[in-house]
Amino acid sequence: LAKTTQPISMDSYEGQEVNITCSHNNIATNDYITWYQQFPSQGPRFIIQGYKTKVTNEVASLFIPADRKSSTLSLPRVSLSDTAVYYCLVGDILTGANNLFFGTGTRLTVIP
Amino acid sequence: GAVVSQHPSWVICKSGTSVKIECRSLDFQATTMFWYRQFPKQSLMLMATSNEGSKATYEQGVEKDKFLINHASLTLSTLTVTSAHPEDSSFYICSARHAGLAGDLEYNEQFFGPGTRLTVL
Repeated sequence: LAKTTQPISMDSYEGQEVNITCSHNNIATNDYITWYQQFPSQGPRFIIQGYKTKVTNEVASLFIPADRKSSTLSLPRVSLSDTAVYYCLVGDILTGANNLFFGTGTRLTVIP
Repeated sequence: GAVVSQHPSWVICKSGTSVKIECRSLDFQATTMFWYRQFPKQSLMLMATSNEGSKATYEQGVEKDKFLINHASLTLSTLTVTSAHPEDSSFYICSARHAGLAGDLEYNEQFFGPGTRLTVL
C-alpha cells in the first residue's frame, strides 16, 4: 500500500485559496487518489478523487502530475466552515481490493 | 452520495459490559464494510474488513475475540465490543464500499458513517 505524507497543519485566512500537497512516492498503477474531509466527531466526507492530471468538482480541484507521486488538493476561497482535517488516501479501486488506510491528515485552520 | 448510518451515535457503558454498534448502508448494498477506530487528535485506524456472509478480516494487533464483527446482510454490519474497558473508549467509524458499473464507467467509493462515540466508565 502506498504511504502518504502530508503537512500536519496549515493556517489560512478566509477568502484565500488553499493548496494541500500529499506525497505518495510508491503509488501503484491501479491506485486512485482520494481526499476526504473530517470535522470533529464526524465521519470523513468524500471531497474528490482522481487518477491523473486534473479533476474539478463543485468544492475542490485535484492536481496530479504526470509521475503521480504527489497530488495537490486546491480549495478555492476558503471560509471558516472549511476548518477541518483533510486526508489524502491512495488505493486500488480497479480490483476492488483497496482498504483505505488513513495517514496523519492535514489540520486546516481558517482564520477570520 | 450514498448514505451510511450508525447506531447509536454515542454510548456510555460500565467496564466489563458489551456494546453493539450497528452500521447500515441506507440506499445501496455493500458487500464490504470497514470498521475504524479514532482516538482524540489522531487519525482513523482500520480495525477490520467486514465481508457479507463470511468472517471478518482483522488488522494486525486487533483482537478478533474482543471486537466481534457480523455482516449478516448486504446493508448491515455490527461491531460488538466485548467486555469493554476504559481503554476501549474511542470514536468508532464504519464505512461501506459502493462499487459497480454505471454504463461503461466503473466506480468504487467508500462512504463513511457519522461515527459512534463509546465511553467506558
